[in-house]
Amino acid sequence: NAGVMQNPRHLVRRRGQEARLRCSPMKGHSHVYWYRQLPEEGLKFMVYLQKENIIDESGMPKERFSAEFPKEGPSILRIQQVVRGDSAAYFCASSAGTGNTEAFFGQGTRLTVV
Amino acid sequence: GQSLEQPSEVTAVEGAIVQINCTYQTSGFYGLSWYQQHDGGAPTFLSYNALDGLEETGRFSSFLSRSDSYGYLLLQELQMKDSASYFCAVEGDSNYQLIWGAGTKLIIKP
Repeated sequence: NAGVMQNPRHLVRRRGQEARLRCSPMKGHSHVYWYRQLPEEGLKFMVYLQKENIIDESGMPKERFSAEFPKEGPSILRIQQVVRGDSAAYFCASSAGTGNTEAFFGQGTRLTVV
Repeated sequence: GQSLEQPSEVTAVEGAIVQINCTYQTSGFYGLSWYQQHDGGAPTFLSYNALDGLEETGRFSSFLSRSDSYGYLLLQELQMKDSASYFCAVEGDSNYQLIWGAGTKLIIKP
C-alpha cells in the first residue's frame, strides 16, 4: 500500500507561469488536505477536499490558487501566474475520515519561482 | 488570533532526555498533535492528546493540560536519528484544520 504520493518533488517556474501540483492519496483515503510551509516555519492549512467537493478553502488565497479532487485521478493544486512569494514547500495529506489524527503526509513539492 | 508557541531550538546529548513545550491560544480545541519532520522530509505523526494526562509510545511521551493550554513532548534515550524539527499542532475550531506551531529544531550532540 503506497503512501501519499506527490509529484513533482521539485518544480521551478518563472514568474507569471502556472504551477500544477499533484497528490495521490493513500488507497482507501477520500479526504485530502493541502498545506504550505515556508522555511523555518510550521505548516499553514490551505484547503480540505473530499472527492469532487471542496469542504474548506479558507486558508487558500482567493486569487490565482485553486484546488480540485476529481472522482478519478489525483488532487490538483493549481497556482496561476506565480510570483516569488509562492516559493514554498507544498504538502498534501490524506485520511480515511474526518480529522487529522490519522492523516498521512506526502513528501511535498518544493516550488521555486525564479 | 490563534497561535502556538514552542521554542525554536533545543540542544541535548545522545542518551539524554529532552522536553519540548508547547502553549496554545485557539478559539476551540479538539486535540493536540505532535509531528516530527526531518530536513527535506514529510511531517510524520508522533502522538495525539485529546484529554489531560500523559500518553506514552515507546521512547516518546506526550502530555496535555487543557486548563493550562499547555502540552509537551518528552523524548527519552535520545538517538542521533532523533535530530529533526518537532511541531505541535492543534485541532481548533474544526477537527480537520490543524493549526501548527513554528517548530522546534532538536540538535543532538554525541
